[in-house]
Amino acid sequence: GAVVSQHPSWVICKSGTSVKIECRSLDFQATTMFWYRQFPKQSLMLMATSNEGSKATYEQGVEKDKFLINHASLTLSTLTVTSAHPEDSSFYICSARDLIAGAYNEQFFGPGTRLTVL
Amino acid sequence: RKEVEQDPGPFNVPEGATVAFNCTYSNSASQSFFWYRQDCRKEPKLLMSVYSSGNEDGRFTAQLNRASQYISLLIRDSKLSDSATYLCVVNTIRGGADGLTFGKGTHLIIQP
Repeated sequence: GAVVSQHPSWVICKSGTSVKIECRSLDFQATTMFWYRQFPKQSLMLMATSNEGSKATYEQGVEKDKFLINHASLTLSTLTVTSAHPEDSSFYICSARDLIAGAYNEQFFGPGTRLTVL
Repeated sequence: RKEVEQDPGPFNVPEGATVAFNCTYSNSASQSFFWYRQDCRKEPKLLMSVYSSGNEDGRFTAQLNRASQYISLLIRDSKLSDSATYLCVVNTIRGGADGLTFGKGTHLIIQP
């Protein structure tokens, strides 16, 4: 159990276009989903926390107008990178936390989306 | 000071050896601790949670020292398949919300 999917797995786009990434919890309900970004040889950095039915909470330095997050249901969150530029090229990973969180707050990670902006 | 610090390695060890690495965390209010494993170009996967009393899962042993704010991972009888990056992860509640903070990872290479 506890499977999280992400689509697409990878995407290559031109500078200035917008890219939408989907994150789905397949066999559980997730009140909270998290979006991370990982640059080569760097650690995962939390971008934003998304709670179902409410606005996302963005980490310092992450532009909310550039990275649009929607969490309309308990099984789906989307991240849209608007007007993407080459510096946005990165590995984007989502995670989801079960509705009934265990004592150790396990998050289940999606397989990631590799974005390359030309 | 970074929130979670790890030696990036790489650690090159022969198959069958025992290897250990540590990480330190800066926020004394951190509540939960984990080791994740990340393979190249893949998502991180939970290896094990770390309990205050220390815990073992097969060949893997994790220890937590709250006083010194460090966490360790010991791998016994290492296998080729253990080659990966091991991420030290800390969960901290800030302003009513909790979140995971990842270290950069320690790169482990098991050699035949």
